[in-house]
Amino acid sequence: AQKITQTQPGMFVQEKEAVTLDCTYDTSDPSYGLFWYKQPSSGEMIFLIYQGSYDQQNATEGRYSLNFQKARKSANLVISASQLGDSAMYFCAMREVAANFGNEKLTFGTGTRLTIIP
Amino acid sequence: DVKVTQSSRYLVKRTGEKVFLECVQDMDHENMFWYRQDPGLGLRLIYFSYDVKMKEKGDIPEGYSVSREKKERFSLILESASTNQTSMYLCASTPYSSYEQYFGPGTRLTVT
Repeated sequence: AQKITQTQPGMFVQEKEAVTLDCTYDTSDPSYGLFWYKQPSSGEMIFLIYQGSYDQQNATEGRYSLNFQKARKSANLVISASQLGDSAMYFCAMREVAANFGNEKLTFGTGTRLTIIP
Repeated sequence: DVKVTQSSRYLVKRTGEKVFLECVQDMDHENMFWYRQDPGLGLRLIYFSYDVKMKEKGDIPEGYSVSREKKERFSLILESASTNQTSMYLCASTPYSSYEQYFGPGTRLTVT
């Protein structure tokens, strides 16, 4: 079974500093994908970034980048130049091919609550 | 833009009541999902559906059932609500063979 581990329940970071949120995963599938979602206090889940297991380069989306180290089974999220609006819960997730019809489902980690300090 | 809506943002029910949580998506997505979110546990998959009238158990289906009579609507049913089902419930959808899930705003259910 797939598993996602986020070992940082909470982090406090000074505004404008870079921050790294840790995520490790475990799977026996050769083909998989890793996501990061942001959940502000309003509750909606916002897709941030995606990395496929066969992607040669680390994914980047604006201030977000995913530090993918396949041999170490880690997929850390890096936020550059943090802003007050980055304060939220962050979830790492892995896609898994379901048993039937090749459909996908996600397994989520327990999340990291990031607080940006002015 | 994809829109996933949930019938209520907040809901308070009594123990033993039958509870319906509704989710509607407007982008003709084949796959729909129900999760519950609890502090320290992240999101856990309750049920998912990959077609009308089709359903699959997720990781924690006990105490829940689902219904998908129309492609755009996926309902989560608590047959007899219990206090340990107090939680945030999130619905999501995705087109077939795509990986990004689009989430609704969530329903915070309190069972007293």
